[in-house]
Amino acid sequence: GAVVSQHPSWVICKSGTSVKIECRSLDFQATTMFWYRQFPKQSLMLMATSNEGSKATYEQGVEKDKFLINHASLTLSTLTVTSAHPEDSSFYICSAEDLPGLRTYEQYFGPGTRLTVT
Amino acid sequence: GENVEQHPSTLSVQEGDSAVIKCTYSDSASNYFPWYKQELGKRPQLIIDIRSNVGEKKDQRIAVTLNKTAKHFSLHITETQPEDSAVYFCAASIRGNYQLIWGAGTKLIIKP
Repeated sequence: GAVVSQHPSWVICKSGTSVKIECRSLDFQATTMFWYRQFPKQSLMLMATSNEGSKATYEQGVEKDKFLINHASLTLSTLTVTSAHPEDSSFYICSAEDLPGLRTYEQYFGPGTRLTVT
Repeated sequence: GENVEQHPSTLSVQEGDSAVIKCTYSDSASNYFPWYKQELGKRPQLIIDIRSNVGEKKDQRIAVTLNKTAKHFSLHITETQPEDSAVYFCAASIRGNYQLIWGAGTKLIIKP
């Protein structure tokens, strides 16, 4: 099956610094990737939809200048949390769709990145 | 926009019994309904899905039913086992839009 990787799996950073999280589709090309945030005991909250070669579409309430998304290739999307604060501490998960032509509808999830801001 | 409600938030069943989790959706244009299982600290894993042209789908101990008229779908797990303990999420996808709208999740506890 399709595999999506994320790096790093966990990161601790100091308040005010920036952190970059990578999401890669390993054995398929993904024109669309999704970035989610999940707080403890809560559902996945979609932050943005990342499209290869174009600007990401952010959900209402998500600051695009704080959560920078770059989808430079069909296998890589990155999320950069800028000027991180303790309230940004969360579990960040990406997912990817197969190329539209396949229309399997299934999203393949990365293993997630646990971000802790001190 | 689409809204997905999931019930119950917590479900505790005796090992060997059946578990049923229900979801309702608001947008009749939704045509894809996956169920995900998430263990603590891990990624969601697709366990079963159903499309709007089908009323029921089964995979061993897991089944999903869809009632398009009532706009609700349910996950059924029979002969529950300890490894079924996890959080289960339902989701809905609107035709032509890959975005998933998620339910709030159900914590399933299997009592030995």
